[in-house]
Amino acid sequence: SQQGEEDPQALSIQEGENATMNCSYKTSINNLQWYRQNSGRGLVHLILIRSNEREKHSGRLRVTLDTSKKSSSLLITASRAADTASYFCATDTPQGGSEKLVFGKGTKLTVNP
Amino acid sequence: DAGVTQSPTHLIKTRGQQVTLRCSPKSGHDTVSWYQQALGQGPQFIFQYYEEEERQRGNFPDRFSGHQFPNYSSELNVNALLLGDSALYLCASSPWTSGYNEQFFGPGTRLTVL
Repeated sequence: SQQGEEDPQALSIQEGENATMNCSYKTSINNLQWYRQNSGRGLVHLILIRSNEREKHSGRLRVTLDTSKKSSSLLITASRAADTASYFCATDTPQGGSEKLVFGKGTKLTVNP
Repeated sequence: DAGVTQSPTHLIKTRGQQVTLRCSPKSGHDTVSWYQQALGQGPQFIFQYYEEEERQRGNFPDRFSGHQFPNYSSELNVNALLLGDSALYLCASSPWTSGYNEQFFGPGTRLTVL
């Protein structure tokens, strides 16, 4: 079963604009991660935020976490055509450990040149 | 340093057949996890192997089984294939240590069941 739900399911923006994707989850977590997937291939790890953190930055990525609302957001600033991909949030729980990730259904981002 | 590798890249089978997918973990990693990703969905955890034993299992029937070899590589076997088994199968590896371990994913094997 899916733990997280990303919103929106699809997002289309122009190059240079910012893209914001949201993720909601159901149970208590240790960590929340965001992954990128190009054209149905392997997953690339983007950023991890721990349950005791509220915000984290990595390059053009900014992630927030609100454990009281069981939600997270991923912001990609100054988007590029190369950012076109599907983005997934994944959580790991105290019971499952970091090897048993529970993914959402993903947001398909299209960045138009 | 090679990352996680999987073979084959694509596979076509018919209903009722059996399939074996292979995964070699990233150098230095001894834990392998398998995920199934149906079209338009997020990956779902199948099971995890460490020290040649299945350590955790997701909500998948017994038709899905696995194996880990002494060199840490792993196989995923699916028996009595159903149309619904058509998916991208992803392998991920990590070191077996306490605390958080980043999962490194392979490129996947695309299985089509006709």
